[in-house]
Amino acid sequence: DAGVTQSPTHLIKTRGQQVTLRCSPKSGHDTVSWYQQALGQGPQFIFQYYEEEERQRGNFPDRFSGHQFPNYSSELNVNALLLGDSALYLCASRAGGNSYEQYFGPGTRLTVT
Amino acid sequence: EDKVVQSPLSLVVHEGDTVTLNCSYEVTNFRSLLWYKQEKKAPTFLFMLTSSGIEKKSGRLSSILDKKELFSILNITATQTGDSAVYLCAASNSNSGYALNFGKGTSLLVTP
Repeated sequence: DAGVTQSPTHLIKTRGQQVTLRCSPKSGHDTVSWYQQALGQGPQFIFQYYEEEERQRGNFPDRFSGHQFPNYSSELNVNALLLGDSALYLCASRAGGNSYEQYFGPGTRLTVT
Repeated sequence: EDKVVQSPLSLVVHEGDTVTLNCSYEVTNFRSLLWYKQEKKAPTFLFMLTSSGIEKKSGRLSSILDKKELFSILNITATQTGDSAVYLCAASNSNSGYALNFGKGTSLLVTP
């Protein structure tokens, strides 16, 4: 049973560019959340997708946007990159219903220069 | 504003020691508290706690929640070098759907 997968593993971008990160949830999971983890910090919630719609959003600017596809996979897009966007971006999936258990992917390390 | 605070921030112990990691929370409409272990990148799920006083146990790891005093502890007995990792605590509230509010983590180093 494949767990949560993310691509790419690493990415280097220049300030002002745009980036797209991808996530495939664990088999049987239909809800995907994205988190940003800066060095030495805990993950910070960006947003959550369910049934192809954004359901919850954390305190992140509109430069951060996302999408969920009919197969439950998801993309995170970040526009106009800033140096402060350098972080590990984690995707987590959750089974439906009332389960709060979330399973994380290995993350994408984004470096903005 | 919801807050999750973990202590200590870092800890160094010898193999075989027992450690206790702490997590306190201030969360409106608290729903559940989760513990994760993060070794390199992906946090791996350890426990989810929703009820006070009921210990969850998995091998040498155990955790308990106190909803009156608003804290949880994670115990690791007979530590091994493979337990070296960052341990993350996260809380959820019923107003924020299934979003998790994480603490900064406790970095545990187990030396041989």
